[in-house]
Amino acid sequence: EAQVTQNPRYLITVTGKKLTVTCSQNMNHEYMSWYRQDPGLGLRQIYYSMNVEVTDKGDVPEGYKVSRKEKRNFPLILESPSPNQTSLYFCASRETGSPPYGYTFGSGTRLTVV
Amino acid sequence: DAKTTQPPSMDCAEGRAANLPCNHSTISGNEYVYWYRQIHSQGPQYIIHGLKNNETNEMASLIITEDRKSSTLILPHATLRDTAVYYCIVRVSNDYKLSFGAGTTVTVRA
Repeated sequence: EAQVTQNPRYLITVTGKKLTVTCSQNMNHEYMSWYRQDPGLGLRQIYYSMNVEVTDKGDVPEGYKVSRKEKRNFPLILESPSPNQTSLYFCASRETGSPPYGYTFGSGTRLTVV
Repeated sequence: DAKTTQPPSMDCAEGRAANLPCNHSTISGNEYVYWYRQIHSQGPQYIIHGLKNNETNEMASLIITEDRKSSTLILPHATLRDTAVYYCIVRVSNDYKLSFGAGTTVTVRA
């Protein structure tokens, strides 16, 4: 089944403790992206990657890192989490090029930083 | 980016067609209309997209007006599992960033 897999689904952590949220897709998509979703603020892009070893900042990159060493994986790293990073996170992927394609999203990671 | 306007909410009876409107009066010629939905805190799900012509897939139909200033997503036989927030988005094909507005909260009632 074509899918984007995120882990963990739920995570509670303490301020300053480094964490990684994993994302893997099995569709050979070039493009991958991380979003956070907060009430009243909608979906905001954190980082994206057009292909292996190519990453770039989205709208809200502060406090996050990403890497794209393999096509299928795009982990999100919080080096020193803070309470304002408490949010619902989604990883997404899609084909590049034409015709335009829709995104496939992961099931989400609900992160709480205390 | 062209902005979209959707009603905040709508109800639909189970088994009936749900017609979800979207206004995008400032759409430009190379912008596509995309529809996604999000079932309570799950990952958004792509439904359908179109440029000028009407489109249909296994989930829904998309009707785009001739002037392209508005569109309607049709769920032909709504079920309780179609209860979700539906988002209408306008993007050029090589703009990969998604941003969702408030969308339309659709409640399907038995």
